Amino acid sequence: NAGVMQNPRHLVRRRGQEARLRCSPMKGHSHVYWYRQLPEEGLKFMVYLQKENIIDESGMPKERFSAEFPKEGPSILRIQQVVRGDSAAYFCASSPGENYYGYTFGSGTRLTVV
Amino acid sequence: DQQVKQNSPSLSVQEGRISILNCDYTNSMFDYFLWYKKYPAEGPTFLISISSIKDKNEDGRFTVFLNKSAKHLSLHIVPSQPGDSAVYFCAASAQGNTGKLIFGQGTTLQVKP
Repeated sequence: NAGVMQNPRHLVRRRGQEARLRCSPMKGHSHVYWYRQLPEEGLKFMVYLQKENIIDESGMPKERFSAEFPKEGPSILRIQQVVRGDSAAYFCASSPGENYYGYTFGSGTRLTVV
Repeated sequence: DQQVKQNSPSLSVQEGRISILNCDYTNSMFDYFLWYKKYPAEGPTFLISISSIKDKNEDGRFTVFLNKSAKHLSLHIVPSQPGDSAVYFCAASAQGNTGKLIFGQGTTLQVKP
């Protein structure tokens, strides 16, 4: 009965490197959301994906950030050429369907850019 | 543009007493509201929700009140327990908004034994 699994839990990257964050949704869930929490702030929506489709990416920065949720395997949030301002906790959530708001979050990946 | 605001960064309450956490919103299109609870180094956990067609929803020790005219909601925890100490986030969504939630900044609740 695994919940939403995110890995790694902690990730340290030097400026200019790439960061890949992985999210495996709960069994039977085909909808994935990514949120970012900057220090001392609330969670900010980034992107909503269904299998093989990006449904809403209105919260994604226009450059360097991308997300995918392939037919097989976890959802991936990719940040290219990281900068210090990317340091944050990144949370993934999954749900079994659309407009299901009480979704389940993973424990997050804490990205530190040095 | 902070559409969901939690103006109290922290709240301290004695065990057994009532905790009241407040949240204000500005977007009149919001029609569904939720409260999440978050412990350090963990993800948020869904606590309770309310639709805009209701003004109250209760689940055990937790009750959420919605005042649409004031664009205000509150979470009541009675009686408060030390294990309730956590950060509480309110969140809101609008119909047709693809399940996207808009979160407040959070309120840290400390329940003292």
